[in-house]
Amino acid sequence: DTEVTQTPKHLVMGMTNKKSLKCEQHMGHRAMYWYKQKAKKPPELMFVYSYEKLSINESVPSRFSPECPNSSLLNLHLHALQPEDSALYLCASSQGSGLPKGHEQYFGPGTRLTVT
Amino acid sequence: AQSVTQPDIHITVSEGASLELRCNYSYGATPYLFWYVQSPGQGLQLLLKYFSGDTLVQGIKGFEAEFKRSQSSFNLRKPSVHWSDAAEYFCAVGDSSASKIIFGSGTRLSIRP
Repeated sequence: DTEVTQTPKHLVMGMTNKKSLKCEQHMGHRAMYWYKQKAKKPPELMFVYSYEKLSINESVPSRFSPECPNSSLLNLHLHALQPEDSALYLCASSQGSGLPKGHEQYFGPGTRLTVT
Repeated sequence: AQSVTQPDIHITVSEGASLELRCNYSYGATPYLFWYVQSPGQGLQLLLKYFSGDTLVQGIKGFEAEFKRSQSSFNLRKPSVHWSDAAEYFCAVGDSSASKIIFGSGTRLSIRP
């Protein structure tokens, strides 16, 4: 199984809402990632979890809160978002966080988020 | 610092024609290089990777890429494109200091019937 799944596929939320994005992998990977992708742009790294611990936070605003409940699951909790946060949110996983295996990342299909 | 340049924003080729997408990287040592493809509204799929060894790398869907250290390039090729190859293609290099990928800006491929 080489699949990373993400739910929901689409999400529309108001600026005062609280919602969560979910990501799951069953490849035994020990590193998981959140990316944000705006239209016609490459993905931008947000967070990296390695062995269920947050290892990289790319100065992401606190209205985005990641959580890694176990080695297979990764959540992104959203609160008080702004319209400019509308984007495709991609989850990825890799075998480990060391080099080079940490670079070989497998992506999910993404959640299309619209903030109104 | 590592960086990746994809000089072509948009390329259109005829179905059945050959394809070459350009990628140049900036890196001090031997880089870890990747090509990803993204269909509209989808996630990224790893096409192929180069870590070391043979400089001609075979990937999925009939793609290949050649690592040329002298030119700091890792161009993606396919001998005959299909309409289903229309997508966005990203070249990427592994950051030497962390488990991070540095993406190029992408090349959008359109296929002419």
